[in-house]
Amino acid sequence: DAGVIQSPRHEVTEMGQEVTLRCKPISGHNSLFWYRQTMMRGLELLIYFNNNVPIDDSGMPEDRFSAKMPNASFSTLKIQPSEPRDSAVYFCASSLWADTQYFGPGTRLTVL
Amino acid sequence: GQQVMQIPQYQHVQEGEDFTTYCNSSTTLSNIQWYKQRPGGHPVFLIQLVKSGEVKKQKRLTFQFGEAKKNSSLHITATQTTDVGTYFCAGRYNQGGKLIFGQGTELSVKP
Repeated sequence: DAGVIQSPRHEVTEMGQEVTLRCKPISGHNSLFWYRQTMMRGLELLIYFNNNVPIDDSGMPEDRFSAKMPNASFSTLKIQPSEPRDSAVYFCASSLWADTQYFGPGTRLTVL
Repeated sequence: GQQVMQIPQYQHVQEGEDFTTYCNSSTTLSNIQWYKQRPGGHPVFLIQLVKSGEVKKQKRLTFQFGEAKKNSSLHITATQTTDVGTYFCAGRYNQGGKLIFGQGTELSVKP
């Protein structure tokens, strides 16, 4: 099994630019989670989907962040416009019915 | 709001010493999971505890779930350098609900 796939692994961009992070969950899993990890705030849940439907987006910081899951095998997290404080590692995780979560390798985002 | 508190934030031990990290919740949990994240890596699932007073072991790791299902602990006996990383607990307040992660305990082991 390929596990959760995230791209890109590293992203460096300038303030104001649009950033799109991508995730392919494990085949057969029906729950998908987006997390952000920083030294200051630890591991934060941004949003999660069940069967492609957003269930809880209370962790999304502000309107600059949006997430979509157009089908069971793909999700995106978009930041527009990006700011330096968005610099973090963004993890995608998937599970079967919100049970054990399998994390992807993460995307390290740096906003200059 | 629902919060899982984890202590200590950091723990430095000499190889061979024991290590324990604790998680606490103000309200009863449905279940609790533990994850390990190696430096530069991603969280990896270790175990899930569901029953009141449950104790599970994985080699040198012992996991406990409190009788009231409000606290949990992870104990490592005779740490090794391979145990280095951050250990997270993650609690769930209702079946199928989202996981609430603790802040994590970063373990460093001096050879």
